[in-house]
Amino acid sequence: QQQVKQSPQSLIVQKGGISIINCAYENTAFDYFPWYQQFPGKGPALLIAIRPDVSEKKEGRFTISFNKSAKQFSLHIMDSQPGDSATYFCAANGNSGYALNFGKGTSLLVTP
Amino acid sequence: KAGVTQTPRYLIKTRGQQVTLSCSPISGHRSVSWYQQTPGQGLQFLFEYFSETQRNKGNFPGRFSGRQFSNSRSEMNVSTLELGDSALYLCASSLVGQGIQFFGPGTRLTVL
Repeated sequence: QQQVKQSPQSLIVQKGGISIINCAYENTAFDYFPWYQQFPGKGPALLIAIRPDVSEKKEGRFTISFNKSAKQFSLHIMDSQPGDSATYFCAANGNSGYALNFGKGTSLLVTP
Repeated sequence: KAGVTQTPRYLIKTRGQQVTLSCSPISGHRSVSWYQQTPGQGLQFLFEYFSETQRNKGNFPGRFSGRQFSNSRSEMNVSTLELGDSALYLCASSLVGQGIQFFGPGTRLTVL
């Protein structure tokens, strides 16, 4: 059973546009929500993460928005660049150790 | 600091064989987790080790096993390989008390 649902599966955005990826979860024990970026042939790299005590976190062009009541969180990539073209995964874990529950991933293509 | 290293990077085996994959965590990291990544199932948690003890285990058959050594290095073993075991196997390390996991480049296992 997929504990974190991610959408869309793929996304095409023009350079300079905003990329938005959404995730939803059911387990209210989750208290850590990271986003990972993965390029072909590489392992996932941590992009940004949030805990449920804040509703938004921004790091450069990347912003996480978190809605605890709706059990949803999203990644916004502002001023998207061709170099951002990659697969993005949302994830969540809680007090069951460090096991990350991943979404299925979003393949982002930023066109010039 | 050097990142998480995994060896070998690529491996080809035949059905019925067994395989051992190795992971060296970031210096000072004591927790090591293993994940299987496939196009169909995405990233799935296998198990997590801390101080040579398995703390968490995902929903995988007993053919998948692992261990951690006193220097925090970890190995995972898959016995009686099946075609469906073909995947990218990722290792991630983390500091005690933090949820941030850093991934290695993975080992690409192909079972023929």
